[in-house]
Amino acid sequence: QVQLQESGPGLVKPSETLSLTCSVSGESISAYYWSWIRQPPGKGPECIGYFYYGGNTYNPSLRSRATISGDTSKNQFSLKLTSVTAADTAVYYCARIDSTSWYKFDYWGQGALVTVSS
Amino acid sequence: DIQMTQSPSSVSASVGDRVTITCRASQGLSRWLAWYQQRPGTAPKLLIYAASSLQSGVPSRFSGSGSGTDFTLTINSLQPEDFATYYCQQANSFPWTFGQGTKVDFK
Repeated sequence: QVQLQESGPGLVKPSETLSLTCSVSGESISAYYWSWIRQPPGKGPECIGYFYYGGNTYNPSLRSRATISGDTSKNQFSLKLTSVTAADTAVYYCARIDSTSWYKFDYWGQGALVTVSS
Repeated sequence: DIQMTQSPSSVSASVGDRVTITCRASQGLSRWLAWYQQRPGTAPKLLIYAASSLQSGVPSRFSGSGSGTDFTLTINSLQPEDFATYYCQQANSFPWTFGQGTKVDFK
């Protein structure tokens, strides 16, 4: 069974960098695509970008502030989001993308609430 | 970006009812559309992909239809655990985008 677990600080100051890690079990991150998705309070989800063994792709709306990378030795992948503002306050999810079949988000972590505030 | 518009934004229903939710895309998607269910405080759960394919383990009372720009999620014989918010999501072109959600609550 594939399981994902987000970890990282729940509070980040404005202008600083948000850093989250997703630990994956039950599947190697060398296979499939792996994504970060965020959901502001009361809104729909937003795909930040995805990582795969060989590259990554980001949502242009993040204006190059996001970096997603993987560590195959730990079977983890990470998100860094620079220059955060209150608008970046959200629940952040990591998810697997079944790239073999219709690019669906088929496994999700439980989510990590990140609040941007001084 | 492709805009996804769901309707209604909320619907009140009773156990046993049939509920239909629609999703319209600002551009044609072929069948690159998925539906998710989200209960409060939990992550979205994949229900339907490729517009009408049922994800493994999802009850058969959930069904999807449509192609191009107009899609539908139908829940037959609503069960207590189905009261939740539902999102459509397009995977036709990146950035993949979600609808704003449809909340199904108790009548």
